[in-house]
Amino acid sequence: KNQVEQSPQSLIILEGKNCTLQCNYTVSPFSNLRWYKQDTGRGPVSLTIMTFSENTKSNGRYTATLDADTKQSSLHITASQLSDSASYICVVSAGGADGLTFGKGTHLIIQP
Amino acid sequence: DAGITQSPRHKVTETGTPVTLRCHQTENHRYMYWYRQDPGHGLRLIHYSYGVKDTDKGEVSDGYSVSRSKTEDFLLTLESATSSQTSVYFCAISGKRTGGTLLYEQYFGPGTRLTVT
Repeated sequence: KNQVEQSPQSLIILEGKNCTLQCNYTVSPFSNLRWYKQDTGRGPVSLTIMTFSENTKSNGRYTATLDADTKQSSLHITASQLSDSASYICVVSAGGADGLTFGKGTHLIIQP
Repeated sequence: DAGITQSPRHKVTETGTPVTLRCHQTENHRYMYWYRQDPGHGLRLIHYSYGVKDTDKGEVSDGYSVSRSKTEDFLLTLESATSSQTSVYFCAISGKRTGGTLLYEQYFGPGTRLTVT
C-alpha cells in the first residue's frame, strides 16, 4: 500500500529560527513529490513540485530536497516568520489523475 | 485560490437529508476532484472527473455521488447524510494546457465545512 509518513507531527519554534520537516514515502511508481502549505481554515497551496531528476527546489525561504533512492524528502524553512505558522503537507504522485498519496501533515507554530 | 469557488462554505444538516456541494472553476482545467479532510487523516480522494460527464471513484467514495455537466462545475452529493460524513470538503483542479504541455499541479478551493447532526 502506498504510504507517506511525515515527521514531526507538530513543531513549535521561535520566530527567526530555521526548521526542517521530514517526509518518507513508499509510493511506487514514483512520478513527483509535492509540498503544500495549508493555513488554518483554507485550502492547501503548492510550495514545490519535484520530479525524479530534481534533488533540490527552492521557493523563497522554502527549500525542498528529494532523495529518490532512500525515498525521503525534507522541507527546510529559513528565518521563520509568524506567517509560516501552518500545516505542511507532503504529497507523492504515482502518476495519473488519482495517483496522489497525501501525508497527514506537520503542524508548525511560530512563536514571537 | 486560483479561480476556484466552493458553495456553501459552511453547512449544518440533519442525518438522512440530501446535501449537494458545488465546486466552480474559471481556469478551464480538465480535471476536478473532491477530497475530504479529517483530523488524523491526510486528504482522501472521494471522486474525480477527467472531463464533462466523465467521473471515477476515489478511495472513499461510498455514500457519495458526483456529476459534471459543464467543464466549470463539479457537484458532490450526499444522498442521505450520516454523522460520519461530517468533515471539511475540498475541491481541487488540475490539468490546464499551457502551450503544448498539460500541467498537473493541483489547486485547491477554500473548502466547505459540513456538519451532520
